[in-house]
Amino acid sequence: NAGVTQTPKFQVLKTGQSMTLQCAQDMNHNSMYWYRQDPGMGLRLIYYSASEGTTDKGEVPNGYNVSRLNKREFSLRLESAAPSQTSVYFCASSPQGVWQPQHFGDGTRLSIL
Amino acid sequence: DQQVKQNSPSLSVQEGRISILNCDYTNSMFDYFLWYKKYPAEGPTFLISISSIKDKNEDGRFTVFLNKSAKHLSLHIVPSQPGDSAVYFCAARNNAGNNRKLIWGLGTSLAVNP
Repeated sequence: NAGVTQTPKFQVLKTGQSMTLQCAQDMNHNSMYWYRQDPGMGLRLIYYSASEGTTDKGEVPNGYNVSRLNKREFSLRLESAAPSQTSVYFCASSPQGVWQPQHFGDGTRLSIL
Repeated sequence: DQQVKQNSPSLSVQEGRISILNCDYTNSMFDYFLWYKKYPAEGPTFLISISSIKDKNEDGRFTVFLNKSAKHLSLHIVPSQPGDSAVYFCAARNNAGNNRKLIWGLGTSLAVNP
């Protein structure tokens, strides 16, 4: 009963480095999301994928790219990491329709020095 | 500009008593509201939701009340248990036009004391 699995759980990067955050869900959900959570800011949507083959920008997409590799997997890429991208990143999925209750992974804590 | 406000950052309640978590919103186009619970080092977990056509939804110990005229909703937990200690997020769906998205509050940290 894995649900939504995110890897890695922790990562430290240097400014300018690139990395990809991985997310996979085993619930056969159509929609997937990437959020970041910062102190005093709540959860903010970075990108989402309403269904396999589609992706759309959320509130804070700058500096990120995404790939919906297949129905199960939705990755988030930082091409050139910046200290402002230090955050906790959450991946989520929902069954059908973009705005149904979402199931979240346990997050990736990313620090950029 | 917070469109969804959880004005109490923290709340402490005795076990067995009622916990009331509040949430205010500013946008009358919000049509669906959700509550999530989050434990440390875990992702948020969906708890309960309510549509704007209702004023109450109940699920076991959890009840959400919606007052549309006041743009206010509240989550009641009765009776409160120590395992309910977590951060609770209110979220609202903006279903207007092409800008559909969820707007999240900053959360209220609930401590239920044995």
